[in-house]
Amino acid sequence: GIQVEQSPPDLILQEGANSTLRCNFSDSVNNLQWFHQNPWGQLINLFYIPSGTKQNGRLSATTVATERYSLLYISSSQTTDSGVYFCALTTSGTYKYIFGTGTRLKVLA
Amino acid sequence: DAGVTQSPTHLIKTRGQQVTLRCSPKSGHDTVSWYQQALGQGPQFIFQYYEEEERQRGNFPDRFSGHQFPNYSSELNVNALLLGDSALYLCASSLGGIDTQYFGPGTRLTVL
Repeated sequence: GIQVEQSPPDLILQEGANSTLRCNFSDSVNNLQWFHQNPWGQLINLFYIPSGTKQNGRLSATTVATERYSLLYISSSQTTDSGVYFCALTTSGTYKYIFGTGTRLKVLA
Repeated sequence: DAGVTQSPTHLIKTRGQQVTLRCSPKSGHDTVSWYQQALGQGPQFIFQYYEEEERQRGNFPDRFSGHQFPNYSSELNVNALLLGDSALYLCASSLGGIDTQYFGPGTRLTVL
């Protein structure tokens, strides 16, 4: 089956710093989403982005489907950005979302 | 506009018991998917319900079963609970099973 690897696995930043999270996948995808899981376990939708670039405030994402990766950019990070970031995707002919390995982010005040 | 809701929030059971978890999808959504998230892991797909039928299933034993009602809400049933079933159970809703998925707050199940 498809492999979904995220990097880095862990990241510690000072408040105000910028970061780039990466999601590599081993097959072509139909759907791709980025989520932020807060310390209480809630998965929050960030982007639905099977291809192209989107921006929402301090966050932006880019998926290059032909090269099988997606990037999540966080600018001017805040302590509330702490948590685990997951990419999740489906491949052709399936409704099953497969989650990546996750990046655990900690933003220090 | 209510988002995805799940009940109960927390649940404690003993080995061998049975449990039922509930999910109401976001308004306008017709598809419900269930995931299991063990501590420190990413969510794992259990199954998806659409038009009151199980449309796709992940790699979970038959002890895990579900149901979708005409109002699109859904239940997840787990029989003969094992210690390894302790996890956060997440429900996600979407329109048609594709496009953006929205997750509920989860039910944390502890099996003693």
